[in-house]
Amino acid sequence: EVQLVESGGGLVQPGRSLRLSCAASGFTFDDYAMHWVRQAPGKGLEWVSGISWNSGSIGYADSVKGRFTISRDNAKNSLYLQMNSLRAEDMALYYCAKGRTALWTDDAFDIWGQGTMVTVSS
Amino acid sequence: AIRMTQSPSSLSASTGDRVTITCRASQGISSYLAWYQQKPGKAPKLLIYAASTLQSGVPSRFSGSGSGTDFTLTISCLQSEDFATYYCQQYYSYPLFTFGPGTKVDIK
Repeated sequence: EVQLVESGGGLVQPGRSLRLSCAASGFTFDDYAMHWVRQAPGKGLEWVSGISWNSGSIGYADSVKGRFTISRDNAKNSLYLQMNSLRAEDMALYYCAKGRTALWTDDAFDIWGQGTMVTVSS
Repeated sequence: AIRMTQSPSSLSASTGDRVTITCRASQGISSYLAWYQQKPGKAPKLLIYAASTLQSGVPSRFSGSGSGTDFTLTISCLQSEDFATYYCQQYYSYPLFTFGPGTKVDIK
C-alpha cells in the first residue's frame, strides 16, 4: 500500500524550531519529487516547499524562504522539513505529498499523508 | 505570482445533480492545472491533472476541461460521497504552486 506518514508536529513557542518527518512506503521513493503543503485551521491549502528526486532542485514559498529547509534521505525513504524562527502564522496542519514525477516543478501531487499539526503559541 | 480564483465558493446540490465548478488563473497556465477533493478531517485527494486527465481510480463522473486561464470541474451525477471541498491548483509557475480558495459542495 502506498503510504505517507508524517510526524514531528506539536506545540512550539514563537521563534523556536521544529523538525517534521515523513516516512514513505509502497513506492520507489527516490523516483519522485516530494512536497510539503500546509493548511491553517479552517483555511485553504498552501504549498510550502518541494524537492526533486535527488535533492538537486528545491523550491520554497516566499512565506517560508530563509526559515524552512526541506531535505530527503532516499536511503531511509524519508522527507524532512526543518522549521526555524516559527511564527504564529505558521500554525497549520502540515501534509507531506508525493509528486507525480521526479522533478518538483513538473506536476501535481498524487499521494498525501494525513498531516501533522504544528501549533505556534506562547 | 499567479492568483487562482474559484466560483462559486459554495453550492448546495442534490444527489444525481450535475455540478460544475470554475477555476480561473490570473495569467495563462496552459494545461498545468489539477483538481483535488478534500473531505472534512481528511487529506486532499488528486482527481484530475493536466486539466483533463483523470487520476487512476477516480470515478468517470468526474471530468475536467479548459486551458489557458479558464478551467472547469464537472461532476456528471453527484453521489453522496462527493460532498466535499474542491480545490484547483496551478503548477505552471514555480516556485509557487498556487491553490484556489476552494468550493464547498454540500447537500441541498
